[in-house]
Amino acid sequence: DIQMTQSPSSLSASVGDRVTITCQASQDISNYLNWYQQKPGKAPKLLIYDASNLETGVPSRFSGSGSGTDFTFTISSLQPEDIATYYCQQYDNQLTFGGGTKVEIK
Amino acid sequence: QLQLQESGPGLVKPSETLSLTCTVSGGSISSSSYYWGWIRQPPGKGLEWIGSIYYSGSTYYNPSLKSRVTISVDTSKNQFSLKLSSVTAADTAVYYCARWLLPKNYFDYWGQGTLVTVSS
Repeated sequence: DIQMTQSPSSLSASVGDRVTITCQASQDISNYLNWYQQKPGKAPKLLIYDASNLETGVPSRFSGSGSGTDFTFTISSLQPEDIATYYCQQYDNQLTFGGGTKVEIK
Repeated sequence: QLQLQESGPGLVKPSETLSLTCTVSGGSISSSSYYWGWIRQPPGKGLEWIGSIYYSGSTYYNPSLKSRVTISVDTSKNQFSLKLSSVTAADTAVYYCARWLLPKNYFDYWGQGTLVTVSS
């Protein structure tokens, strides 16, 4: 099984800050990685697919990068509406989600 | 607009079988462009993929749950279903159904989720 390790598990940042989340796969998954945003009480929403492709309609302050085992998700300028938990998810072998990163406003 | 709606009992007794159905509206489940999946989330915890099914009936399951999971599809009703046997309190979670888009490979539509509690 492929394990996905996300860090940090939570963070607090100010509006306008740059926020970075990392996701590490237990083995090479090429670029078979997606990022989702989940707000409280809601279903997850896709933001980034194939590690770096922005889903249609998603603000450009969100971005992703990486390949192989190490991936990064960035919010270039944190907005109040970005308060949520973010999950990475690999699909190279079955499907596995990372543990999530809860983003809060300082 | 595509919609997915989970339905089923909100309370299941330990050792019994959890059964949920996802009804798809606004689109056909019988398309070669999608898989259909179940994902769960224990209260306050992260997401766990349970398994997925193709309209033809082809399935693949999370290895950690495989021995207890059955996912089936009913194309005539535009529904797919989840059965999880021998449940324990650890199976208490919000259960989501979702559509997996091919060949882009991501979940693009989700149901609102339904809380299933395992308790006597």
